[in-house]
Amino acid sequence: GAVVSQHPSRVICKSGTSVKIECRSLDFQATTMFWYRQFPKKSLMLMATSNEGSKATYEQGVEKDKFLINHASLTLSTLTVTSAHPEDSSFYICSATTGTGDTGELFFGEGSRLTVL
Amino acid sequence: AQSVTQLDSHVSVSEGTPVLLRCNYSSSYSPSLFWYVQHPNKGLQLLLKYTSAATLVKGINGFEAEFKKSETSFHLTKPSAHMSDAAEYFCVVRTGGSYIPTFGRGTSLIVHP
Repeated sequence: GAVVSQHPSRVICKSGTSVKIECRSLDFQATTMFWYRQFPKKSLMLMATSNEGSKATYEQGVEKDKFLINHASLTLSTLTVTSAHPEDSSFYICSATTGTGDTGELFFGEGSRLTVL
Repeated sequence: AQSVTQLDSHVSVSEGTPVLLRCNYSSSYSPSLFWYVQHPNKGLQLLLKYTSAATLVKGINGFEAEFKKSETSFHLTKPSAHMSDAAEYFCVVRTGGSYIPTFGRGTSLIVHP
């Protein structure tokens, strides 16, 4: 099956620094990538949707200047948490889809655990 | 508009007994429905999907789900639970007109020896 690689799996940083998380589709071209945030024992909260070569579409309440998303190619999307604070600590998951419309399967990365000290 | 409701936040079963995880959806269009499993600190893995073909869908690890339009349901079942099935399960809906998937809140499956 299709593979999505997410890196790093764990990152610890100091408050005020920026952290970049990469999401790569290894064996397919992802027309769309989604970024989610997951709080403990909670469902996935969609942060933004990114399409290759265009600006990401952010969900209401998500600060686009704080969570920078770049989708430079059909196989790579990055999420940069700028000036991170302890409240940004969370599990971030990306997913990629090949298909347009509603039947395209979502392939998920393994997630990135961010801890901000 | 589309939404999905997972009726149980936790389901507890004994090893070897049947599993039932409930999911109801609403949508203005014919939906595509998915079940994903998430083990602790991991990403999500697809168990099975329904995309307007056979209403009884078989997935991996012995799981299956039946699409019932009259009941707007897509419940996940397994005849016999295994300890390794303990995880978080998410029901997801996508419909024509909105390619953005909507997640249920998740059901935590606990399997007792």
